[in-house]
Amino acid sequence: GAVVSQHPSWVICKSGTSVKIECRSLDFQATTMFWYRQFPKQSLMLMATSNEGSKATYEQGVEKDKFLINHASLTLSTLTVTSAHPEDSSFYICSATLAGNRYEQYFGPGTRLTVT
Amino acid sequence: AQSVTQPDIHITVSEGASLELRCNYSYGATPYLFWYVQSPGQGLQLLLKYFSGDTLVQGIKGFEAEFKRSQSSFNLRKPSVHWSDAAEYFCAVVSNTGNQFYFGTGTSLTVIP
Repeated sequence: GAVVSQHPSWVICKSGTSVKIECRSLDFQATTMFWYRQFPKQSLMLMATSNEGSKATYEQGVEKDKFLINHASLTLSTLTVTSAHPEDSSFYICSATLAGNRYEQYFGPGTRLTVT
Repeated sequence: AQSVTQPDIHITVSEGASLELRCNYSYGATPYLFWYVQSPGQGLQLLLKYFSGDTLVQGIKGFEAEFKRSQSSFNLRKPSVHWSDAAEYFCAVVSNTGNQFYFGTGTSLTVIP
């Protein structure tokens, strides 16, 4: 149980376009989902925390207008990278917590974004 | 502020040898501690966690970790490493007042035959 999926697993887009990444909890309801960014050979950097039905909370230094997060249901959160630039190329990972158990996060397999 | 330090950026061990990956944390109260493993291009898989109770915790794939409050450490161990254990390992702490994870910078493990 507690499986989190991401789609797509990798995506290539042109500079200036927008790309949407989906994060789904497959077999549980996730009241909270998290979005991380990981650069090569580095650790995960928390970008934002999203709770179902409310606005996401962004970490300091993360542009909320560039990284749009929507947590429309208890099983789906989306991250949209708007007007993507090559420096947005990265590995994006989402995670989710079970309702009533906020101390354990279940991670998705990640999405590799390459902006050309 | 909470923080996690993994002093070893990269470790190389021979297959069959024992392994210990170090993790030190900084947190005022009793933390909740985790070890994750990440294979190239993949997400994170939980190896084990410590919330309370027995300070020696067993995880998947033959891993174990010991919580030592006096040393603020939560080192990961495995008695005999397999080639498939080659991966990136992350230690993480989450405060018991919230649900924000703080990750260490990771230790890259290479296993040589």
